[in-house]
Amino acid sequence: DTGVSQNPRHKITKRGQNVTFRCDPISEHNRLYWYRQTLGQGPEFLTYFQNEAQLEKSRLLSDRFSAERPKGSFSTLEIQRTEQGDSAMYLCASIPMYGETQYFGPGTRLLVL
Amino acid sequence: AQKVTQAQTEISVVEKEDVTLDCVYETRDTTYYLFWYKQPPSGELVFLIRRNSFDEQNEISGRYSWNFQKSTSSFNFTITASQVVDSAVYFCALSDNAGGTSYGKLTFGQGTILTVHP
Repeated sequence: DTGVSQNPRHKITKRGQNVTFRCDPISEHNRLYWYRQTLGQGPEFLTYFQNEAQLEKSRLLSDRFSAERPKGSFSTLEIQRTEQGDSAMYLCASIPMYGETQYFGPGTRLLVL
Repeated sequence: AQKVTQAQTEISVVEKEDVTLDCVYETRDTTYYLFWYKQPPSGELVFLIRRNSFDEQNEISGRYSWNFQKSTSSFNFTITASQVVDSAVYFCALSDNAGGTSYGKLTFGQGTILTVHP
């Protein structure tokens, strides 16, 4: 079984630039979550997809953030006009429809200079 | 609101010592799930165990054991005869995956950094 994959693994960008991350969930997992983890903290929920529908968004997801899952398979998370405070690890997790355990990808580590 | 507290920020032990990582949670839900994840330096969160709120049986898996006590809202994790490879950050997490309008997002504690010295 292939696990959750995320690309890129690392991203360095300058403040004000846009960045996009991709998550490929485990095959046939129709539920997908994005989390953000800052240094020394636990992951915090950002958003949730069930198939292509975005059903829940955290207050952390400001209007500079947008997430999509157009065909119910892979998902993208875009950050516009990045700020230094966006520097974090962005984690993606997937789960089958009636499962209870989320399986995480390796994350994308973002550094905004 | 849900909350998970891991009071121990860092623990340092010598190999072969036993170590217990504490986790206390708060929730108003009657049905919920508790998890432990391990995060090695590579960054990927590795699933260790899941417990649902109706199952208070303790579990043992090799050198790992978990003690779930609903009366004290605790879900502690013990590593017996620790090894250097156990060095990582360990997270306790809570999910309210009870169906309906709940979508099962995880609320994590702040993590405990475990360092096992040879």
